[in-house]
Amino acid sequence: GAVVSQHPSWVICKSGTSVKIECRSLDFQATTMFWYRQFPKQSLMLMATSNEGSKATYEQGVEKDKFLINHASLTLSTLTVTSAHPEDSSFYICSAPPVDRVWGYTFGSGTRLTVV
Amino acid sequence: GENVEQHPSTLSVQEGDSAVIKCTYSDSASNYFPWYKQELGKRPQLIIDIRSNVGEKKDQRIAVTLNKTAKHFSLHITETQPEDSAVYFCAASYTGNQFYFGTGTSLTVIP
Repeated sequence: GAVVSQHPSWVICKSGTSVKIECRSLDFQATTMFWYRQFPKQSLMLMATSNEGSKATYEQGVEKDKFLINHASLTLSTLTVTSAHPEDSSFYICSAPPVDRVWGYTFGSGTRLTVV
Repeated sequence: GENVEQHPSTLSVQEGDSAVIKCTYSDSASNYFPWYKQELGKRPQLIIDIRSNVGEKKDQRIAVTLNKTAKHFSLHITETQPEDSAVYFCAASYTGNQFYFGTGTSLTVIP
């Protein structure tokens, strides 16, 4: 089945630095990738939708300049957390839509970001 | 946009008993409702889903019911086992791509 590979799985960074998270679709082309954020013991919150070759669509309240999303190819979408702060510490997870119109979609394995 | 509410937030049951988790949604255009199970630090796993043209779906010990008129759907787990302990999320979608998740239910099955 369709697999989304997400890296890194865990990252610790200092305040003020930037962190890039990658999601790759394996064996299929993902023209769209959804990026979610999950705080401990809370639900997944949709942050933005990336579309190959065009600008990402951000949900209300999500800072575009802080969470930079790039979808330069049909198999790679990246989320860069710029000038990270402790409050950005969270679990970030990507997801790609179904390949063959079978309902349901594939999650990446998630990235746990800790900003110190 | 869509708003999905989920109850209860925590649920403890004795092994062998049944567990029921309920969700409501606001957008009548939503037509696909998946349920996900998430273990700590891991990706959500789809366990069952239902489309709006179906009222009930069952897969072994897991079943989902949907009431379109009332805009609510429920997850039923029978004969619960300790390995069922996890966080469960409901979701609603009207495109099949973009999903709006409920707030999650932490289920604990007591041996």
